[in-house]
Amino acid sequence: KQEVTQIPAALSVPEGENLVLNCSFTDSAIYNLQWFRQDPGKGLTSLLLIQSSQREQTSGRLNASLDKSSGRSTLYIAASQPGDSATYLCAVDSNYQLIWGAGTKLIIKP
Amino acid sequence: SAVISQKPSRDICQRGTSLTIQCQVDSQVTMMFWYRQQPGQSLTLIATANQGSEATYESGFVIDKFPISRPNLTFSTLTVSNMSPEDSSIYLCSAARGANYGYTFGSGTRLTVV
Repeated sequence: KQEVTQIPAALSVPEGENLVLNCSFTDSAIYNLQWFRQDPGKGLTSLLLIQSSQREQTSGRLNASLDKSSGRSTLYIAASQPGDSATYLCAVDSNYQLIWGAGTKLIIKP
Repeated sequence: SAVISQKPSRDICQRGTSLTIQCQVDSQVTMMFWYRQQPGQSLTLIATANQGSEATYESGFVIDKFPISRPNLTFSTLTVSNMSPEDSSIYLCSAARGANYGYTFGSGTRLTVV
């Protein structure tokens, strides 16, 4: 049974720092892995989608990597800004079943 | 990627009543899903909305409580029936065009039952 773990559960850093969020999964048989952002009381915004055959994806200040063999993905945020404050969720797609991590709550202090 | 319009964005309802949530996708999608997110929790899948047939419900969710419609490839509704305060949650719809495209989510419906 696929399980997804996100570390850390919460993170608070000063503005301008580079940071890494971690996501691990137990079963490497995945279609893809997707990173989302959720603001309080809101829906989810897709940040990056990494197909199982890919190693990384980049969008602006965000870079996500995928290592299927070790069951790990990282989301790298460069030059963090207060507007990056949100909960970040990773989800793995195993045959149209999304398995979710519990999320990392990120606070960027001005 | 697909864009989803979800309505209403929030509502406060009396216990015992029902609320219908709508999701409209701007393009045809293969799969549509409905999730619930209770306060401080991660997402829980309620059901997969199947076009032209009955939805597929996850364990713990039943059609009488959460009837779902999907009349075409761009639209779905979720009704929360006979509501109680325990139904207070964020409800989210999601859509996928296929395994290579990932999932898109609506903006969520924040439901409070009083």
